[in-house]
Amino acid sequence: AQSVTQPDIHITVSEGASLELRCNYSYGATPYLFWYVQSPGQGLQLLLKYFSGDTLVQGIKGFEAEFKRSQSSFNLRKPSVHWSDAAEYFCAVGDTNSGGSNYKLTFGKGTLLTVNP
Amino acid sequence: GAVVSQHPSWVICKSGTSVKIECRSLDFQATTMFWYRQFPKQSLMLMATSNEGSKATYEQGVEKDKFLINHASLTLSTLTVTSAHPEDSSFYICSARPPLALETQYFGPGTRLLVL
Repeated sequence: AQSVTQPDIHITVSEGASLELRCNYSYGATPYLFWYVQSPGQGLQLLLKYFSGDTLVQGIKGFEAEFKRSQSSFNLRKPSVHWSDAAEYFCAVGDTNSGGSNYKLTFGKGTLLTVNP
Repeated sequence: GAVVSQHPSWVICKSGTSVKIECRSLDFQATTMFWYRQFPKQSLMLMATSNEGSKATYEQGVEKDKFLINHASLTLSTLTVTSAHPEDSSFYICSARPPLALETQYFGPGTRLLVL
């Protein structure tokens, strides 16, 4: 069964500083990988996804992530953090082995990002 | 973009009562909807997958008689927590998947349930 590990429960950065959120996955085949952001009162919003091709993926709000098969990682990065980026971030892996309606997402436990002014 | 709503956003109920949570896809038809449960500082745990017009598929360990799911239309799925107890208190999140987009899920804002 697939699994996702986000090693950092809580990260604090200063506004304008760079950010990297770590994500490691366990999956037997080529993974579909996702990063979502969850803000209070709002649903999870997709930041970016990786299915195949270029291992550096660009997303919304200036985020990017790099898929590294050798490290089973899919870390999220942003060069300059804004105060509005404070939220909880979830990495997820999609189960490509099951088809149709059985397609599922497995989420990590999330990383809470605090941004200091 | 695609919008998924949930109602209510929060609910408090007495132990032993039943609570119904609605999940609606507002601007697209969702052949499949998913129900998740999220504990504080924990991940989203998939409870069940709901396909329009058929019975829901529950994940291992989820009591189907406790958490009744109905997906009667392409835009509405409901989760009913029957005979709720304090341990059922949690944050329940639904997501909806458009047709022909297996990898895509649009998430609702969640429903906070507190059982007293």
